[in-house]
Amino acid sequence: QKQLQESGPGLVKPSETLSLTCTVSGGSINSDKYYWGWIRQPPGKGLEWIGSIYYSGSTNFNPSLESRVAMSIDTSINQFSLRLTSVTATDTAVYYCARTIGHFFDYWGQGLLVTVSA
Amino acid sequence: DIQMTQSPSTLSASVGDRVTITCRASQSIRSWLAWYQQKPGRAPKLLIYQTSSLQSGVPSRFSGSGSGTEFTLTISSLQPDDFATYSCQQYFSYPWTFGHGTKVEIK
Repeated sequence: QKQLQESGPGLVKPSETLSLTCTVSGGSINSDKYYWGWIRQPPGKGLEWIGSIYYSGSTNFNPSLESRVAMSIDTSINQFSLRLTSVTATDTAVYYCARTIGHFFDYWGQGLLVTVSA
Repeated sequence: DIQMTQSPSTLSASVGDRVTITCRASQSIRSWLAWYQQKPGRAPKLLIYQTSSLQSGVPSRFSGSGSGTEFTLTISSLQPDDFATYSCQQYFSYPWTFGHGTKVEIK
């Protein structure tokens, strides 16, 4: 049973950096079949794709966030990570990690609410 | 960016009803469209990809159709477990974008 689990702080101060990790179990992320992505959902709003990373480390980001986003992947421990710098209140959202196949998302983590507040 | 517009925003229906949700793209996305179901406090669940391909384990009462800029998700006979929010996603071009969702509520 493939599972994804987000982890990281639930509260980040404005102007600081949001850092989240996704741990994948039930299968290796060291596969050329999939990308691994991050999607967020502000309270009461729709889903927004943040970016995706391949097992090789190549990335694609949403241009709206590209200047503030970085992603990394560690295939040895089946984890990939998100960093979002200079956060503001508008970055408050539930952050999901997900497996991407054919550029749609077939397995999702349960989500992690991150609140940006002083 | 390709804008995805869903209608209606909210839909009231009864168990057993046939329900249709529409998703329109701001430009042609050919057939590169997925549908997700989301319940409160839960992650989205993939229902359909490539416009009409049913994800494994999804009941056959769900179906998708369309091409180009207009797409539909149909639930042939609404079941109690189907009351949820449904969102479409285009994956024709970066950045991948989602519709804002259609909430299916109990009438």
